[in-house]
Amino acid sequence: AQSVTQLDSQVPVFEEAPVELRCNYSSSVSVYLFWYVQYPNQGLQLLLKYLSGSTLVKGINGFEAEFNKSQTSFHLRKPSVHISDTAEYFCAVSDPDYGGSQGNLIFGKGTKLSVKP
Amino acid sequence: EPEVTQTPSHQVTQMGQEVILRCVPISNHLYFYWYRQILGQKVEFLVSFYNNEISEKSEIFDDQFSVERPDGSNFTLKIRSTKLEDSAMYFCASSPGLAVNEQFFGPGTRLTVL
Repeated sequence: AQSVTQLDSQVPVFEEAPVELRCNYSSSVSVYLFWYVQYPNQGLQLLLKYLSGSTLVKGINGFEAEFNKSQTSFHLRKPSVHISDTAEYFCAVSDPDYGGSQGNLIFGKGTKLSVKP
Repeated sequence: EPEVTQTPSHQVTQMGQEVILRCVPISNHLYFYWYRQILGQKVEFLVSFYNNEISEKSEIFDDQFSVERPDGSNFTLKIRSTKLEDSAMYFCASSPGLAVNEQFFGPGTRLTVL
């Protein structure tokens, strides 16, 4: 079964600094990869997804992520963060060969991004 | 913009009591899901539902849990006899299609079992 590791539980950064939130998954078989964001008191919102094709995926709010199959990673990046990016970020995997055909998502524990002025 | 809604936002119950968590998915979506997140832990898949039946469930989703779509708009999760370890945030999600499609999540219901 798949598992997802987000190594950093909290990431504090200053406004306008670049940020990278790390995500690794357990298997190198074909997977679908997602990043979700959760703002306080709101549901999970999709930032971006990788299904196939180009390994660099661009999402909303200036975020992008790069799929690296050899390192089984899908790190999220933003070149310059804003105060409004303060939220919790979840990496998720859908494994077509293990229940993923039904869309079941396997999540990491989340990374809390805190952007300071 | 359409969104998934969940009620209540916070539910407190005594151990052994039954609870029903309610969700209204986006109206033209076909797939529905429940996830939960115990404080400090990962968001975990519970169950997926399609065409009025469970299509997949995790090992967490035992006989104490059930789901229903009683009226074509609501999607409910029932826990028959709550345990302390059921305390968690429960998220409902809906999707127009399968894995490649985005799942739209509700804001969650925080369940506290005393």
